[in-house]
Amino acid sequence: DTGVSQNPRHKITKRGQNVTFRCDPISEHNRLYWYRQTLGQGPEFLTYFQNEAQLEKSRLLSDRFSAERPKGSFSTLEIQRTEQGDSAMYLCASSPLARDRVGRAYEQYFGPGTRLTVT
Amino acid sequence: AQKITQTQPGMFVQEKEAVTLDCTYDTSDQSYGLFWYKQPSSGEMIFLIYQGSYDEQNATEGRYSLNFQKARKSANLVISASQLGDSAMYFCAMREIYNQGGKLIFGQGTELSVKP
Repeated sequence: DTGVSQNPRHKITKRGQNVTFRCDPISEHNRLYWYRQTLGQGPEFLTYFQNEAQLEKSRLLSDRFSAERPKGSFSTLEIQRTEQGDSAMYLCASSPLARDRVGRAYEQYFGPGTRLTVT
Repeated sequence: AQKITQTQPGMFVQEKEAVTLDCTYDTSDQSYGLFWYKQPSSGEMIFLIYQGSYDEQNATEGRYSLNFQKARKSANLVISASQLGDSAMYFCAMREIYNQGGKLIFGQGTELSVKP
């Protein structure tokens, strides 16, 4: 397995257009997370899936954002009617579960990210 | 609410010397995990080291060690024998262990520059 992959790596779009990003997690991982990272900041949580179920969404995820994970495999993040404020790096991460049997929290494995520029 | 604070926007270290990157956290949870990630200019977040809130010993992973002081709510990263390839952004992060979501809360990061 080659780790978490994301496509495309870079996306330039005009304001008002729709964009879709894809994330392929590590195959045996149940959990899939999306984060957004703006310049000079740490990543901020957007949403997460356990298998195909979307279990939590951040307030950062406005109505223009939608995420899916059909069949609990890859995930897509769509942004409709993009705005310049959406310009950021969108990171995807996966992990087996939240913790193991002895209560150790699993680390999340990150993909290379998709850098979105809205002009 | 959980919060991570990294007060050093940038740090410089001479090659082969040790450096400490500061991290303080705030949480009302009793069970949590603390992580450090490295982010090179390529953008990918690379996991470095983990410390559980109930771990009595400080975590170590090769040249990385975590100075965990629970009472002070600090989890500083120590990099020994710095290498040029260590130049990157470093993020401290926290995750609840028993929260079903387990999302990571990140600090703002510290940019480390290693001088030859």
